[in-house]
Amino acid sequence: QLQLQESGPGLVKPSETLSLTCTVSSDSISSINYHWGWIRQPPGKGLEWIGTIYYTGSTYYNPSLKSRVTMSVDTSKNHFSLRLSSVTAADTAVYYCARVPSGYDPNWFDRWGQGTLVTVSS
Amino acid sequence: QSALTQPASVSGSPGQSITISCTGTSSDVGAYNYVSWYQQHPGKAPKVMIYDVHYRPSGVSNRFSGSKSANTASLTISGLQAEDEADYYCSSYASSSTVVFGGGTKLTVL
Repeated sequence: QLQLQESGPGLVKPSETLSLTCTVSSDSISSINYHWGWIRQPPGKGLEWIGTIYYTGSTYYNPSLKSRVTMSVDTSKNHFSLRLSSVTAADTAVYYCARVPSGYDPNWFDRWGQGTLVTVSS
Repeated sequence: QSALTQPASVSGSPGQSITISCTGTSSDVGAYNYVSWYQQHPGKAPKVMIYDVHYRPSGVSNRFSGSKSANTASLTISGLQAEDEADYYCSSYASSSTVVFGGGTKLTVL
């Protein structure tokens, strides 16, 4: 059974860089059958797409976050990562990683991690 | 890139049908047949209910259906059940290979 698990610091200081990893089990992250994405949800608010990394290595980011976001894949560890720089309190959210089947609806996130809360505070 | 517009809340009685709308623009909902719908229960990760406007993933009840007309997509839940009470989000593929979500709709089963 495919599982996605987010990991990383739960507390980040303002102006620093948020770094999260999503480990994928029971599936190869280098498969041409999938892309991989990050979505976040501030407490009590709605979902916000952060970005998607395609199996080709191409990355696509939310225009409002593009200048601060970097996504990458590490095939040797079967995980993908998110880095968000210069964080502020507005970046406090539950961060989800998710899988996207390739060749279909590019916003069909068919499997999700459980989410991890990241709080930005000094 | 603005969020898609959804009603903040909808409600219905058990057995009834409800429809949640999702309004975008000619750059997202109206431009592609790539609309998805997600159900989220409190404290849980979202679960996809509909993709490609109207396709149901394996395991999703056929009480859930999706459609689209011009810049507006809709999710209809028929035979409403207590377990359907949750937040629902639409999302759409948009220009420059981006994704935009709706603001979310809280469904209350009376």
